Amino acid sequence: EAGVTQFPSHSVIEKGQTVTLRCDPISGHDNLYWYRRVMGKEIKFLLHFVKESKQDESGMPNNRFLAERTGGTYSTLKVQPAELEDSGVYFCASSFRGTPLHFGNGTRLTVT
Amino acid sequence: QKEVEQNSGPLSVPEGAIASLNCTYSDRGSQSFFWYRQYSGKSPELIMSIYSNGDKEDGRFTAQLNKASQYVSLLIRDSQPSDSATYLCAVIVSNFGNEKLTFGTGTRLTIIP
Repeated sequence: EAGVTQFPSHSVIEKGQTVTLRCDPISGHDNLYWYRRVMGKEIKFLLHFVKESKQDESGMPNNRFLAERTGGTYSTLKVQPAELEDSGVYFCASSFRGTPLHFGNGTRLTVT
Repeated sequence: QKEVEQNSGPLSVPEGAIASLNCTYSDRGSQSFFWYRQYSGKSPELIMSIYSNGDKEDGRFTAQLNKASQYVSLLIRDSQPSDSATYLCAVIVSNFGNEKLTFGTGTRLTIIP
């Protein structure tokens, strides 16, 4: 079974640019989550999709972040325009109906 | 008060000894608890889940849960150098009907050969 895959693995962009992160969950997993780990801090929840619907987006930092999950399959997280404090590792995770989350390898975003 | 608290360490344990990792949580209604292991530069990997009070054993790992004290721990017996990693305690926290997995900061464990 393929795991959660994320693309790209690394991204370096300049302040003010746009970046789009992609997550492909495990096939059949309705739940898809985005988390972020900023250097030295804990992994923080960003949002949760159930299929294509946003169940909880209380962790999204501000309106520069936009997440979508069209068709309930893969998800994208766009940051526009990127700021220095957006640097960190963005993890995607998926699960099926209350089972434990499986994480992707993350996308390391560096904003310079 | 943080929702999930862990001692960030670092915690150093000699090879072959027992490593003990602790975690407390604030949401008294939480029912699901997890331990993840994260190697440097890698994604969190689930190693234990526990839902009921008491102990749950899986190989060299034992998770312990005490809901009355809002405390969950992870014991690693016969510690190996390959156990060196950051261990993340995670708890399902309910917030206005939404449940989300909330992490502690993690404890960095080093097993000394």
